[in-house]
Amino acid sequence: SQTIHQWPATLVQPVGSPLSLECTVEGTSNPNLYWYRQAAGRGLQLLFYSVGIGQISSEVPQNLSASRPQDRQFILSSKKLLLSDSGFYLCAWRPGQGRGSYEQYFGPGTRLTVT
Amino acid sequence: AQSVTQLDSQVPVFEEAPVELRCNYSSSVSVYLFWYVQYPNQGLQLLLKYLSGSTLVKGINGFEAEFNKSQTSFHLRKPSVHISDTAEYFCAVTRSNDYKLSFGAGTTVTVRA
Repeated sequence: SQTIHQWPATLVQPVGSPLSLECTVEGTSNPNLYWYRQAAGRGLQLLFYSVGIGQISSEVPQNLSASRPQDRQFILSSKKLLLSDSGFYLCAWRPGQGRGSYEQYFGPGTRLTVT
Repeated sequence: AQSVTQLDSQVPVFEEAPVELRCNYSSSVSVYLFWYVQYPNQGLQLLLKYLSGSTLVKGINGFEAEFNKSQTSFHLRKPSVHISDTAEYFCAVTRSNDYKLSFGAGTTVTVRA
């Protein structure tokens, strides 16, 4: 069966510091990968998605970036955090296109607090 | 592009009472529909999905939803809720050849004894 991992689970970082959140998926190959953010009291905001290694699509211009160095690894980064980057970050995966499955499966999330 | 409207932001309900969460979507093409549940400080968990076939879909934890194409709705129901059903619920839609899900704003369900 497939599993998705995110770490760290919680993170407290000062304004201006760098960020690296990691997501890995096990038990599948060539998945589509996604990063979402939930700010306090708000819904899900899609940040990035990737349909293959090195292929990143950005949904919202901001000071975050994403990379996919390996098939089942997705990394969210920032060089300098802002207060507004605080939130709950969720990674999700979906079987690659053409495999007849459209739902996404979510990881446990990372709670980021920027102070 | 498709969009999703969840008509209720908060739904308080007593234990063992029924609950219905409303979801409407807009799309000019055939869609696939989903309901997710999110417990506090956790990721989203898939409750049920509609891809094709029977318009009444049964999911986990006693939930079911009905797809109504003419009304472009996909309402979620449970005949008798438990305290443990307290959570946020998201409706989502996608279409064939689309990599992304469009989510509604969410409905917070609070079950009281």
